[in-house]
Amino acid sequence: DARVTQTPRHKVTEMGQEVTMRCQPILGHNTVFWYRQTMMQGLELLAYFRNRAPLDDSGMPKDRFSAEMPDATLATLKIQPSEPRDSAVYFCASAPGNPSYEQYFGPGTRLTVT
Amino acid sequence: QKEVEQNSGPLSVPEGAIASLNCTYSDRGSQSFFWYRQYSGKSPELIMFIYSNGDKEDGRFTAQLNKASQYVSLLIRDSQPSDSATYLCAVTLFSGGYNKLIFGAGTRLAVHP
Repeated sequence: DARVTQTPRHKVTEMGQEVTMRCQPILGHNTVFWYRQTMMQGLELLAYFRNRAPLDDSGMPKDRFSAEMPDATLATLKIQPSEPRDSAVYFCASAPGNPSYEQYFGPGTRLTVT
Repeated sequence: QKEVEQNSGPLSVPEGAIASLNCTYSDRGSQSFFWYRQYSGKSPELIMFIYSNGDKEDGRFTAQLNKASQYVSLLIRDSQPSDSATYLCAVTLFSGGYNKLIFGAGTRLAVHP
């Protein structure tokens, strides 16, 4: 059945290193979201793409985070340089497009920055 | 005031009882409302959505929406231990020219045998 996939599932890295997370949305979904989840902040929207164009990345720290969709089957979230406070679970979700906001989440990438 | 508020719980109910989960939201312009279930260590899973005032039933789940009171709820009938999870309420918010989904912090539900 159709699912959002994310790689890697787990990542442990040292402060200052670059981290790249990848997401493959469900085929045919034209809207992709990146979220971060922590115990303290809950689920926070970082970035939002429709038809590969970034619509909203106001939730993302611009100095170190970047998000792209090089093609319709791949979304990436990059952190450079990483910091311990970036430790969280990062989820990608996709949706079939406006007006539907029925988002389907991937399994997440658990990031630990030491 | 948070945009979407939920009681963090835990809400503890006995097996077979009705679990009632509540959510309030601040933006009167919100049009779409969702309930996600998240098991520990897993990703959120969409279980219900509702767009119009009133009730919407799907199996053991009923979503209720009252836009005048800015209130949405989820009822789980015949609660099972497998329903034990965190339930996230999500609401669309129009901001910056686009609608986006804002999540509440979630209510942890514990169903005990």
